[in-house]
Amino acid sequence: AQTVTQSQPEMSVQEAETVTLSCTYDTSESDYYLFWYKQPPSRQMILVIRQEAYKQQNATENRFSVNFQKAAKSFSLKISDSQLGDAAMYFCAYIKPGGYQKVTFGTGTKLQVIP
Amino acid sequence: SAVISQKPSRDICQRGTSLTIQCQVDSQVTMMFWYRQQPGQSLTLIATANQGSEATYESGFVIDKFPISRPNLTFSTLTVSNMSPEDSSIYLCSVLPGLNTEAFFGQGTRLTVV
Repeated sequence: AQTVTQSQPEMSVQEAETVTLSCTYDTSESDYYLFWYKQPPSRQMILVIRQEAYKQQNATENRFSVNFQKAAKSFSLKISDSQLGDAAMYFCAYIKPGGYQKVTFGTGTKLQVIP
Repeated sequence: SAVISQKPSRDICQRGTSLTIQCQVDSQVTMMFWYRQQPGQSLTLIATANQGSEATYESGFVIDKFPISRPNLTFSTLTVSNMSPEDSSIYLCSVLPGLNTEAFFGQGTRLTVV
């Protein structure tokens, strides 16, 4: 079974600084998708970034980028130039494509942004 | 992509009663997922709802407590039955519109049982 681990229950960052959230996963599959979701106090789950396992290039979305290390099964999220609106719970997630799909979520990291 | 409308957004209910949560999707999807999220914690999958068949429940969740309906490819309901304070939580519905897409979520229902 797939598992996703986020070892940092809480993190804090100064506004305008950079922070990295960690995620490791366990799978025997070679093809899969990884995601970072953001959940602000509004409860709405928002996709931050996605990474296809077959792509070696790390995904980037504006201030958000990932460091995907397939062999190490590591998928960290870097937030640059942190903003107050980045404060939220962040969940790392795994999906095995095809057939019966189910999302496996990590335990979450609560990010605090300090003005 | 998919846009999901989830209702109600929040409710306060008496113990022993039931609450039905609705999710409407703006496109047809094969599978819909229902999650429970305790405050400050991750999402726990309750069940997967396929149109035209019984929902598939995860370990620890049973149909009598969380009956699910899936009458068509754009709509589903989750009922929380015979509620107790332990059922106080956030409930979310989710879809995976395609084989290789991300999951989309409703806005969540914050349930408080008193």
